[in-house]
Order: sequence, then structure tokens, then C-alpha cells
Amino acid sequence: SQTIHQWPATLVQPVGSPLSLECTVEGTSNPNLYWYRQAAGRGLQLLFYSVGIGQISSEVPQNLSASRPQDRQFILSSKKLLLSDSGFYLCAWSVRSRGRFGTQYFGPGTRLLVL
Amino acid sequence: SQQGEEDPQALSIQEGENATMNCSYKTSINNLQWYRQNSGRGLVHLILIRSNEREKHSGRLRVTLDTSKKSSSLLITASRAADTASYFCATGGTGANNLFFGTGTRLTVIP
Repeated sequence: SQTIHQWPATLVQPVGSPLSLECTVEGTSNPNLYWYRQAAGRGLQLLFYSVGIGQISSEVPQNLSASRPQDRQFILSSKKLLLSDSGFYLCAWSVRSRGRFGTQYFGPGTRLLVL
Repeated sequence: SQQGEEDPQALSIQEGENATMNCSYKTSINNLQWYRQNSGRGLVHLILIRSNEREKHSGRLRVTLDTSKKSSSLLITASRAADTASYFCATGGTGANNLFFGTGTRLTVIP
């Protein structure tokens, strides 16, 4: 069966520090991968999605970046965190053959607090 | 924007009662999905309804879709305390790159 992992679960970082959040998927190949941010009590904002290794599409301009160095690994990064980067970050995957509107399967999330 | 909007934002009911949540969207869609999120956790897919379908059932869940009104409803029958969570609709449509998630309905089921 497929599983998706995210780490760390919780992170407290000072303003201006770098960020690296990692997401890995097991049990499937060639997935579409997604990074979302969820502000407290709000909906999901799509940050990045990827349909293959090295292929990253950005939905929202910001100081964050994403990379996909391996088929089942998706990394969210920042060189300098802002206070507004605080939130709950969710990684998700979907079956590529079902297109971009297929069911998405979410990881447990990383809660980031920037102080 | 194609983003779905859930209504109500919050709903509190007694255990055993039915809970109905609504979702409205703005443009044509390929499908509409409902997800559930327990506090501080990831989202879990509940049900997907295609644009050519009008109603779908899964256990205690019933979803309807009215494309002429650009709206959907999620009905949870015989609610349980464990149903307490936030529920999101997500739409996937022509001209869009990915699913768009609404802001969610926070459901509280009181034992």
C-alpha cells in the first residue's frame, strides 16, 4: 500500500533562517506531488506541484522554492523565512495517470512557527 | 476564481442527528471531491463525484451535485462524535491546473 511521510512534524524557526521540509512517498511510482500551506482555520493554498523529476510549477509567488530530486521525494525550501511563512504545510500525491484532478492523498503535515 | 466555498463555516449538532454541508463554486468542473481533516492532521479523501453524476453514496455519506447551480452538498447521516472534523470540498475543472480547495466547514458532533 502507499504511504506518504513528512518531516519534521513541528518546527520552530527564527525569522531569516533557512527552511527545508521533506516529503517522501512509498508504494507508488511516477506520482504527481503537491505542496500546500494552510493558515490557521483556513483552507489550503497550493504552493507547488510536480509531474516529474525536476519539473516544478509554482502557483504563488513567494520566498519559497521546491525541488524534486527523486521520483518520490519532494522538498520545500526557503533561504530566509518570513513571519508570514508560519502555517501548516501539507504534502500530497496523486496518481499521474488520473490527471491533475484525481484524488489526492495527504501526508500528516508539518507545523511551522516562525518567530 | 474556481475555489469552492463551504457553507456553513461552522456547524454543531447532537450525536445521531444528520449534518449537511454545502459547497458552491464558480466555473465549470470535471469533478468535485470532499475531504475531511481532523485537527492538526492531513486531509483524508471521502468521496469524488463526477460532473455527469448527480448523487453518490458511501456508507453514511451522501453527496449531491447540481452543476446548473454550481453547488454540492455533503450529508452525514446518524452522526457520531468521531465525525467531528473540518470538511473541505475541492473542485477540478477545465482550464485549471489542479484541484481548488474551499475554506471548509468545521463540524462538531456533541456526544
